[in-house]
Amino acid sequence: NAGVTQTPKFRVLKTGQSMTLLCAQDMNHEYMYWYRQDPGMGLRLIHYSVGEGTTAKGEVPDGYNVSRLKKQNFLLGLESAAPSQTSVYFCASSFTAVGGGSYNEQFFGPGTRLTVL
Amino acid sequence: KQEVTQIPAALSVPEGENLVLNCSFTDSAIYNLQWFRQDPGKGLTSLLLIQSSQREQTSGRLNASLDKSSGRSTLYIAASQPGDSATYLCAVMENYGQNFVFGPGTRLSVLP
Repeated sequence: NAGVTQTPKFRVLKTGQSMTLLCAQDMNHEYMYWYRQDPGMGLRLIHYSVGEGTTAKGEVPDGYNVSRLKKQNFLLGLESAAPSQTSVYFCASSFTAVGGGSYNEQFFGPGTRLTVL
Repeated sequence: KQEVTQIPAALSVPEGENLVLNCSFTDSAIYNLQWFRQDPGKGLTSLLLIQSSQREQTSGRLNASLDKSSGRSTLYIAASQPGDSATYLCAVMENYGQNFVFGPGTRLSVLP
């Protein structure tokens, strides 16, 4: 199993450009998450998905869109990149939180380092 | 709003010492708590997951405890090694949603 993979690993954008980050997991997990990690701010949730075809906003969703067309993939889009979106982006997946006693451990990808000039 | 804090922010110890990292959260209505380690420039690696109904979990030299009522968790590392040097983060999953809230982390250095 590859676990959680992210592409690309690094990217430099100019202000106003768009791009899509891809997250893939091969663990058949129901839930997937996108976080950003900034110095002094810690990890913050951008968007998440509780299943194929569903998405929901996290703590810092503005400026980002997501899609979960396939269970194993979760895409994060930046329509018009801004310097404030310079960050390291992490994708994570977990099994399910439904029902008492369900196991819901998060597994993380290696991250994408994005710089917006 | 749930807030998670970790004390200390940084810790430096000689090899072989036992140590405790602390995590506190403000809202006790959590579903679970997870401890991670993060090496510089890398992703997060899960260490231990404690369900809200549990009081502790152990894996090798690591032991994590959870006291929901007081909003605290501790990560105990026995016989520390230089390879344990990393940032340790705790995260709580809130009951009424799928939101994980992370602490800022404790940066641990174990000196040979």
